[in-house]
Amino acid sequence: RKEVEQDPGPFNVPEGATVAFNCTYSNSASQSFFWYRQDCRKEPKLLMSVYSSGNEDGRFTAQLNRASQYISLLIRDSKLSDSATYLCVAHNAGNMLTFGGGTRLMVKP
Amino acid sequence: GAVVSQHPSWVICKSGTSVKIECRSLDFQATTMFWYRQFPKQSLMLMATSNEGSKATYEQGVEKDKFLINHASLTLSTLTVTSAHPEDSSFYICSASLPQLFSNQPQHFGDGTRLSIL
Repeated sequence: RKEVEQDPGPFNVPEGATVAFNCTYSNSASQSFFWYRQDCRKEPKLLMSVYSSGNEDGRFTAQLNRASQYISLLIRDSKLSDSATYLCVAHNAGNMLTFGGGTRLMVKP
Repeated sequence: GAVVSQHPSWVICKSGTSVKIECRSLDFQATTMFWYRQFPKQSLMLMATSNEGSKATYEQGVEKDKFLINHASLTLSTLTVTSAHPEDSSFYICSASLPQLFSNQPQHFGDGTRLSIL
């Protein structure tokens, strides 16, 4: 079983739609979590950190449920420019990052 | 602005060639750098952790004699793919750790190197 699991998608949604991605992790000792965005043939870029209390950054909301070992990302009012692969990432001891397989989003006009 | 610089961004070479990829931390000292590999439609997989002044720590299944890592200074780590073959074609990405005091994320990534072996 992978340490961080995501539905690979693709999620095909129209502009303006709300879309939610889920992620589960198996290492209960993971210290913190992040969502990264990766465009084709580019390096991953930090989208946002994930907190148990939930956090929001504009159209993006992330949530962590430690009891269920579950992380979510909600994107409201999808834009064409949101099309990318979204990576769920666990931060472990030694500053190590473990990446999920990524969820591909395609926003269409 | 970029805090980690990776070079080259794209390499195409013949089978059997050795390829060196450089990863530099800009304006900060990185005692630890990480090397990842990403195959098409797959996620980033950690290959090794590069420690300044000591041997790299390789992940299970990664051949240390094939992927030579040198971290001779606090701002430069290099990955050399020795005698590269078509199956080594991949996207190689490095990252460097910043002290948490100075960053909102545990690692900063280079732009990646796309390696194509013919």
